[in-house]
Amino acid sequence: DAGITQSPRYKITETGRQVTLMCHQTWSHSYMFWYRQDLGHGLRLIYYSAAADITDKGEVPDGYVVSRSKTENFPLTLESATRSQTSVYFCASSENEMETQYFGPGTRLLVL
Amino acid sequence: GQNIDQPTEMTATEGAIVQINCTYQTSGFNGLFWYQQHAGEAPTFLSYNVLDGLEEKGRFSSFLSRSKGYSYLLLKELQMKDSASYLCAVMDSNYQLIWGAGTKLIIKP
Repeated sequence: DAGITQSPRYKITETGRQVTLMCHQTWSHSYMFWYRQDLGHGLRLIYYSAAADITDKGEVPDGYVVSRSKTENFPLTLESATRSQTSVYFCASSENEMETQYFGPGTRLLVL
Repeated sequence: GQNIDQPTEMTATEGAIVQINCTYQTSGFNGLFWYQQHAGEAPTFLSYNVLDGLEEKGRFSSFLSRSKGYSYLLLKELQMKDSASYLCAVMDSNYQLIWGAGTKLIIKP
């Protein structure tokens, strides 16, 4: 029962580099989400997806790109990393938009 | 704008009871969630309220008053393992979760 997994768990990169964070869920949930969590802020939604090939922007989408070619995977790409993107990134999934969201273990990203 | 307010930090004693409050102003309301997050870990679901009243689940209870834009999480018989952050989140009219910054609960022996 893997549930929802993220990789890598930790990543250090430099400004200007492209970084991809992976998210995989085994529940066949329709909805998947990407959040970032920073001290002093609540979780902030970056992008979400209602199904394969359907994605939409959240509160803070600038500088990020997502895709969802398969139901179980929802990668998040930082096209040109900036220091302000240093954060903890959580992926989550839910059966539908009204249901409880379940979170992956997170990826800690440091941009130097 | 949309806003969720909860205290930044609270301290309580092992074995005691603590109440963590959450007030909200959102565009629409489709339910309120409480999550627990231990340091360095992912948020885990605790409770969901969509109707007014108290929902009890073991040592944890959650209360909602929609007219007041208010909820609380009640933790009884506190244990050291309850030391964590507690996140309040409201689902708005677009079915997106709006999150509070979390309340860090410190349990002292």
